[in-house]
Amino acid sequence: ELKVEQNPLFLSMQEGKNYTIYCNYSTTSDRLYWYRQDPGKSLESLFVLLSNGAVKQEGRLMASLDTKARLSTLHITAAVHDLSATYFCAVDMQGSARQLTFGSGTQLTVLP
Amino acid sequence: DAGVIQSPRHEVTEMGQEVTLRCKPISGHNSLFWYRQTMMRGLELLIYFNNNVPIDDSGMPEDRFSAKMPNASFSTLKIQPSEPRDSAVYFCASRRLNTGELFFGEGSRLTVL
Repeated sequence: ELKVEQNPLFLSMQEGKNYTIYCNYSTTSDRLYWYRQDPGKSLESLFVLLSNGAVKQEGRLMASLDTKARLSTLHITAAVHDLSATYFCAVDMQGSARQLTFGSGTQLTVLP
Repeated sequence: DAGVIQSPRHEVTEMGQEVTLRCKPISGHNSLFWYRQTMMRGLELLIYFNNNVPIDDSGMPEDRFSAKMPNASFSTLKIQPSEPRDSAVYFCASRRLNTGELFFGEGSRLTVL
């Protein structure tokens, strides 16, 4: 069974600081996705990482994938309040009937 | 391009009543997923369809839950009879074939009294 672990689960950080959210998974996969969810809202796709070494950047967020280490990171640069949300990673276990498996989410709060 | 459309957005019902949630996926997406989200259990996959065929329903909590996809543009999730523990936000999502990216609807917030 594929397990996807995110850490930290809760993160409070000050505006202007940098931080990294980690997503570890337990079996071979070469596809990983990051989603953002604002309170009371739906999940919005942020990044699609489709191969080892893939790196994607959007604004203050950058995501990377290391399939050998079974690890993805979501790096936040110079955080601003608007980034406060819950961030989920999801792993595609190809060949599995369950396909995408989501992590528990990281609740990020950016403080002024 | 319209996104995934779910209805109703909010539903309040009494225990024992039947609840039907509806979903229209993005045109051209051949996979459709139903998820449930609660504070306690997080995001749970209930069932998913490929080309309108149910592939994995092992996440459906019990026989009170059923899902159908009669055609490529419509799916329903039915709970009969509903119970207070079914209170949650139910999301429908469809999947882009080439990248595997999921696109979520706005969700249906269900409250069973």
